[in-house]
Amino acid sequence: GNSVTQMEGPVTLSEEAFLTINCTYTATGYPSLFWYVQYPGEGLQLLLKATKADDKGSNKGFEATYRKETTSFHLEKGSVQVSDSAVYFCALNPPAGTALIFGKGTTLSVSS
Amino acid sequence: DVKVTQSSRYLVKRTGEKVFLECVQDMDHENMFWYRQDPGLGLRLIYFSYDVKMKEKGDIPEGYSVSREKKERFSLILESASTNQTSMYLCAIRQGVTEAFFGQGTRLTVV
Repeated sequence: GNSVTQMEGPVTLSEEAFLTINCTYTATGYPSLFWYVQYPGEGLQLLLKATKADDKGSNKGFEATYRKETTSFHLEKGSVQVSDSAVYFCALNPPAGTALIFGKGTTLSVSS
Repeated sequence: DVKVTQSSRYLVKRTGEKVFLECVQDMDHENMFWYRQDPGLGLRLIYFSYDVKMKEKGDIPEGYSVSREKKERFSLILESASTNQTSMYLCAIRQGVTEAFFGQGTRLTVV
């Protein structure tokens, strides 16, 4: 079946540290992949996406590359800020599906 | 800007009450979804709808029903609220295989 596994949190970093949040997936065919972010008390917002192998999605300093060979879509940022503190969700769209499938979320806490 | 509006940010209901959560979109998207979000469990799909009056069960439909009488509105109904339905409820919309857009969420507490 289709599933998303992302690293458990919480992840605690100091400002300007490098961030990696791992995400791997299981899917038939070639799904589209997404990262969503949820700030405290809010709904989810799309952070970035990639629709085919080797695509790199980027936004607000965050990047993720669609790696078919390792079935991964790891989220990275070179220098985190306190304002990046949030919950991050990796998600996939199954090729024949309608609903996105989400990972369990990773909480990031950045301190100054 | 895409707008997905959920009728309440916070709701407190009593056990056994019938509860309605409303979601309205302004984008004319075909697909609408209801998820619940719980710590450690992520987002779990309750129901979705791909057209007016059409619905499909998600992963955890028990204890819930839905209604979509108009394209822009998708309602989640808790027939008889129970304490284990205390959760954050998120509505989302989607057109085809593009990204989904979410409402701000409704935090429901059942006492």
